[in-house]
Amino acid sequence: QVQLVESGGGVVQPGRSLTLSCVASGFTFSNYGMHWVRQAPGKGLEWVAVIWSDGNNKYYAESVKGRFTISKDNSKNTLYLQINSLRAEDTAVYFCAKNPCSTSCYFDYWGQGTLVTVSS
Amino acid sequence: DIQMTQSPSSLSASVGDRVTITCRASHGISSWLAWYQQKPEKAPKSLIYAASSLHSGVPSRFNGSGSGTDFTLTISGLQPEDFATYFCQQYNGYPYTFGQGTKLEIK
Repeated sequence: QVQLVESGGGVVQPGRSLTLSCVASGFTFSNYGMHWVRQAPGKGLEWVAVIWSDGNNKYYAESVKGRFTISKDNSKNTLYLQINSLRAEDTAVYFCAKNPCSTSCYFDYWGQGTLVTVSS
Repeated sequence: DIQMTQSPSSLSASVGDRVTITCRASHGISSWLAWYQQKPEKAPKSLIYAASSLHSGVPSRFNGSGSGTDFTLTISGLQPEDFATYFCQQYNGYPYTFGQGTKLEIK
């Protein structure tokens, strides 16, 4: 069965950097697009970024463009999100989510999320 | 960006009831709409994609309809496990956007 397990969250000071990971299993990771979606405490869902199966096509929400970088390592079945210059408004649970297509479409499976808290 | 507006923001209902949640897009999105269910402290789960197609394993009491700008999610015969928050999401183009959510509570 499909499993997505995020890690890398924690309490981080403003301005610092962090890399989140999402290890995938139960499907051929290299064949599908993958996303990051975040949810601030008590708030709704916000799409963050997508990477297509080819690894070359990447798109970002305007709120994170230039600070966040999505990437993946097919040999490790792992999706990454590098977050630079962290701000208080980046505090959220970060979910990785799988596409059922190679480019980008809806999310058929989600990980359990990892909490990032930006605080001094 | 395409704005997604859900209504109502909260809803009280009883087991066995039929409820409808609506989602309106600020621009036409054809049928590129999905619905998700989220329980407290849990990840969202896929319910419906392409406006009306049921995700694998989702009970048939969930039904989605609509196209263009207006969409609905109907749950017939509410079960105790259905009390949760529901989000719509458009995937017509980037940035993907979500509705603000509808919290379905037990009356």
